[in-house]
Amino acid sequence: QKEVEQNSGPLSVPEGAIASLNCTYSDRVSQSFFWYRQYSGKSPELIMSIYSNGDKEDGRFTAQLNKASQYVSLLIRDSQPSDSATYLCAVNMNTGFQKLVFGTGTRLLVSP
Amino acid sequence: KAGVTQTPRYLIKTRGQQVTLSCSPISGHRSVSWYQQTPGQGLQFLFEYFSETQRNKGNFPGRFSGRQFSNSRSEMNVSTLELGDSALYLCASSLGEGLLNIQYFGAGTRLSVL
Repeated sequence: QKEVEQNSGPLSVPEGAIASLNCTYSDRVSQSFFWYRQYSGKSPELIMSIYSNGDKEDGRFTAQLNKASQYVSLLIRDSQPSDSATYLCAVNMNTGFQKLVFGTGTRLLVSP
Repeated sequence: KAGVTQTPRYLIKTRGQQVTLSCSPISGHRSVSWYQQTPGQGLQFLFEYFSETQRNKGNFPGRFSGRQFSNSRSEMNVSTLELGDSALYLCASSLGEGLLNIQYFGAGTRLSVL
């Protein structure tokens, strides 16, 4: 079992729709979770971070964390073509030492 | 505030050679992490340095090494290059402490091994 798993996609949604990206992780002691967006040929940029169970909202983005189910998700409301990118889920497996384990990413395609 | 700077942006080497990549973190950040990104394997953690000490290491052969200087700048070295080392090498800087310690990525160095 991979430490962090994501569906590779592509996930295709029409403009204006809600895109739902999911991630599961294997290590129950994981404390903090991150979503990065990576455009083709570019480096990852942070979208959201979360460490408490529940929802965290920032503009059109909502991160959801369920530690009991070892599940973290990212919702993108009112999806735009500019949101088309690969979304990487990252899990910090050990507080204190910065070892982020990344999923392989979900490619999102937003069609106009 | 300047971001994370990686040099060079592109490198072409041949098998057997060695290469050194450089990373200058965001001012005030004491932690630098290195990652290798390939289409097949995704982003894989190489190592992390904090205050000139390697705190964590990924599952890579000893040909991959790094160091951090007193000004927090970091270098990564790969010796005896193999074709499979062709990848995008990313460094990320952070404060290095705390639960939500955010890592900020540089633009990366794209290494091609011929």
